[in-house]
Amino acid sequence: ETGVTQTPRHLVMGMTNKKSLKCEQHLGHNAMYWYKQSAKKPLELMFVYNFKEQTENNSVPSRFSPECPNSSHLFLHLHTLQPEDSALYLCASSQWSGSWNEQFFGPGTRLTVL
Amino acid sequence: TQLLEQSPQFLSIQEGENLTVYCNSSSVFSSLQWYRQEPGEGPVLLVTVVTGGEVKKLKRLTFQFGDARKDSSLHITAAQPGDTGLYLCAGGYNQGGKLIFGQGTELSVKP
Repeated sequence: ETGVTQTPRHLVMGMTNKKSLKCEQHLGHNAMYWYKQSAKKPLELMFVYNFKEQTENNSVPSRFSPECPNSSHLFLHLHTLQPEDSALYLCASSQWSGSWNEQFFGPGTRLTVL
Repeated sequence: TQLLEQSPQFLSIQEGENLTVYCNSSSVFSSLQWYRQEPGEGPVLLVTVVTGGEVKKLKRLTFQFGDARKDSSLHITAAQPGDTGLYLCAGGYNQGGKLIFGQGTELSVKP
């Protein structure tokens, strides 16, 4: 595997389900990110992990719970979601550095909440 | 609030035409990235510019960073249907890896 991988690619869940999204980066980076992409909206940064420590939580509802066990893996645990949470969830990684900030994205998980 | 304004939001052109996409902000960035995203996929990094006034070329794509490092443009010459996609600009700051994304420009190139 190369780059950033995400599983599953598609997920349909009911509002009472619990599911998890997985992201793995094979680039040797030390920072990982979760973004939400909804139609006609800019990418919304949800969480940032730098060296496995969460450094940012952009007022994300508690029904989204991130986990970063090591620098290569990132999870997003989902429970009691709402239909408006349906979106493309993107994971990205980067080398946390002073100025270049280049991020590399996975293909995303298309989430539909019924 | 840190904002990046992209324009236009939508662009539909014929194959062979030229186009320019703009990315503007009131903030100064240490770096500016351009990404291209196809439906159902994640954004793919096209280029990074870091110096005010910098111009980079990638085949038919020309990227420019404004002198004051607050704005950028992407110019495509002789667009092709394969250029169709969502183009995103993103600005980075010195305080770490966080990026601020514009809302994107959806480009459609018809044969």
